[in-house]
Formats: sequence, C-alpha cells, structure tokens
Amino acid sequence: AQKVTQAQTEISVVEKEDVTLDCVYETRDTTYYLFWYKQPPSGELVFLIRRNSFDEQNEISGRYSWNFQKSTSSFNFTITASQVVDSAVYFCALSEASYGGATNKLIFGTGTLLAVQP
Amino acid sequence: NAGVTQTPKFQVLKTGQSMTLQCAQDMNHEYMSWYRQDPGMGLRLIHYSVGAGITDQGEVPNGYNVSRSTTEDFPLRLLSAAPSQTSVYFCASSYSTGAAPFEQYFGPGTRLTVT
Repeated sequence: AQKVTQAQTEISVVEKEDVTLDCVYETRDTTYYLFWYKQPPSGELVFLIRRNSFDEQNEISGRYSWNFQKSTSSFNFTITASQVVDSAVYFCALSEASYGGATNKLIFGTGTLLAVQP
Repeated sequence: NAGVTQTPKFQVLKTGQSMTLQCAQDMNHEYMSWYRQDPGMGLRLIHYSVGAGITDQGEVPNGYNVSRSTTEDFPLRLLSAAPSQTSVYFCASSYSTGAAPFEQYFGPGTRLTVT
C-alpha cells in the first residue's frame, strides 16, 4: 500500500531559525512523483515542488531546499532563516500508482503545522 | 486567468439536504479532482476526471456524485448530506492526465457544515 507519513504534527521556531519538515513515503513502484504544498492561514493550497523518482538531486529555491533520499524513502523540506510568513501547514504528497504508471491521484500526508514566532 | 474557482465559499446544510458544489477552471486542463480536508487527516480524494465525459472514484466517494460535461466544469453533488460530510472541499486541476503528473492547481475551497 502507498502511504505518506509526516510525523511532525506541529513545529514552533523563532524567526531566523532553520527548520526541517520530514516526509517519509511508502511505495512499491519504481516510478512515482512527490510533491510539497503549502497551506497558509488563508486556506488556499500552494504548490512548492514536484520531484520524480529518477531525479535524486537536491533542489534549492531561495530559502527553501529539498532533500530526496530513495534509500530512506524520504523527501524532507528545509526552510533556512525562517520568517513569520512561512507560518503555514505543509503537506507532502505522493502520486498514486496504477497499472500504467504514476497517476495524478495524490496521497497526502497529514501535514505539519509550522509556527514561526517573531 | 482566474485559475480554479469554487462556489460557494461557505455553506450550511441540514441533514438530508442535497446540494452541488461548483468548480470551474479556465486553464484548459484535462484533469480535475475533488478532495476533502478533515482535521488531522490531510486531503483525501473523492472523485476525479481525466477529461470531459470521464469520471472515476477516489478514496472516499460514498455520498458524492460527479459529472464532467465540459472541460471547464466539474461539479460535486452531495446526494443526502450527513454530518460526516462536514469538511473543507477543494477542487483541483492539472495539465496532465497521468503517467507524468504535474502540479495540481487548487481552488480556494468550500467550507461545508452539515447540522
């Protein structure tokens, strides 16, 4: 069965601290896609990153970076020098597999609430 | 582009009532889907569509109906509302229909309360 686990329910940091949000996934498929979404207090879902299973390069985008490790089935997200505007719920998601390969059907983790205090 | 729009933003229903949540996108995306978000459970897929005239069930389809007569619209119908359907509902659309899924664009959500 496919599954996404975000073990950290809530994290609280002080502004300018670095913070890592953990995501562990389970799948038997060799081709799959992983995503991170941000849900700020306003409630909308904002896409952050998409990664396929063949690309294990880490990615950096400004203060955001992602560490994809197939050996440990993890796709962790780090925010460097956190800011109050980073306060949100962050979701990790895995593309559900089908007979023909990956699909658009997403399996979401339960999310991590990040609170950045000024 | 308006992106993905949903109406209404808030709705209160009594048990047994029916209603339709509207979803529209103007990006010419083939793939559209409905999720529900409940506290502590993340988002769960209700129904999805890979194109006009084609729909299928997701993880939690019971009590919901969908149809897709146009590329732009994907309404979600609650047949007989139950308190267990109290949730926030998100509609999403995506450029691709499978194999190499791209990011999904989400609507602003509909907060539904069933009393």
